[in-house]
This record gives sequence, C-alpha cells and structure tokens, in this order.
Amino acid sequence: NAGVTQTPKFQVLKTGQSMTLQCAQDMNHNSMYWYRQDPGMGLRLIYYSASEGTTDKGEVPNGYNVSRLNKREFSLRLESAAPSQTSVYFCASSGPGTVSYEQYFGPGTRLTVT
Amino acid sequence: AQKVTQAQTEISVVEKEDVTLDCVYETRDTTYYLFWYKQPPSGELVFLIRRNSFDEQNEISGRYSWNFQKSTSSFNFTITASQVVDSAVYFCALIPARGGTSYGKLTFGQGTILTVHP
Repeated sequence: NAGVTQTPKFQVLKTGQSMTLQCAQDMNHNSMYWYRQDPGMGLRLIYYSASEGTTDKGEVPNGYNVSRLNKREFSLRLESAAPSQTSVYFCASSGPGTVSYEQYFGPGTRLTVT
Repeated sequence: AQKVTQAQTEISVVEKEDVTLDCVYETRDTTYYLFWYKQPPSGELVFLIRRNSFDEQNEISGRYSWNFQKSTSSFNFTITASQVVDSAVYFCALIPARGGTSYGKLTFGQGTILTVHP
C-alpha cells in the first residue's frame, strides 16, 4: 500500500516547455487534488476532482490543465511553463465518500522553470 | 469565500516548553471541517486531526491537544513538553462540508514554522 505517489520528484523546465505531473493513489479514494506550495503562501488548490469523471477549478487554475484518467490517477499538465510556475506541487486524495474527509498527500514534485 | 489565518509565522522554543499554535478562520458555511497538518523538514504533509464544526469537544492525543471554539472561530493546537522532533511547519486548513461554490476546496493557512531547540 503505497498511498499517494507522484512522478517525477524533481524537474527543470525552460520557459515555454510543457510537461505532465503524474499522480496515483491506491487507497480507493474518490476525490483527488493538485496543490502548489510557495514560500510564505501555504498550499493553494489548483484543481480537484471530487469523483471519477469530474474536475473543478481551485484557487489558482490558470496555466494548468488536469485529467482524471481513472479512479486511481489524476494528472496535472503545464502546457507552456512560465517562471511563475516554479513551485512544489503536491497531489492529494481523500475518501471514500465526500470531499470532507482528510486528505492524504504525495511526496511532492519540485519544479523549476528557468 | 473562506480564509484561514495563522498569525504566527515562526515560533522558537526550547525543548520541554509548551507551545500553542493559533488558527483563526472565516467561512460563511454552517457546516465545515477543520484540519491540522504537519510538514517536517523532509517535506511531506502529515495529517494530524480533523474536527467537525458541530463537535466543539477538545481533543487530546498524547502530547498534542486541540482547542476548537466556534464562538471565536478558532482552532488552536498545543504541543505539551515539546521535543526537537516536533520542529516542522504546521498548517491549519478548512473545507466546507456541504454544497456551494467552495465545496471541495480545502483552504490552508500560511503555516507556522516551529523550531524546537535542544
């Protein structure tokens, strides 16, 4: 039981490049989330998926897209990376029912955009 | 909209001291959940506690205790007899429990950096 896994752990991109951050959970959770963490700002919600087949914008969705591939996997895509997207990205999941359950987080992806 | 404020940016204590981390929140929802998470230097986020807005009982778990006061919109966290291993960033967070525009959106405070010196 690995919990929430994320790949890659580290990534360096040049401005304008694209990439997809992968996230998977093996806890049979319905809801999944993507956050970014910046110094002094805590964690901010980018997108979330309350259940398979649905996605909704969070607080800072601009510049990102998501795909809930199946119940286990939720990916985050940066189509044209910008230096402002330099951050640590966390994926989380919660369940089994509503989104009000505690969220369990992956180890994070440290992304640098130059 | 909802907001979580952790007014203490950094706290420094000496081992065995008690320390309280403050959390104040704002929400228009009548039903919500509050959480505390710990982020040690290794970077992962560790869930500590979830509290339902209807349940104002204080909770104690070992050296950790939580004081929820709905009247003052506060959910404070106390560590008794702090240890060096308690050094971490601690986050308070809130999520609405029912529908509405904020449903499903967990809002975090800015975090409090706790350093416990030996």
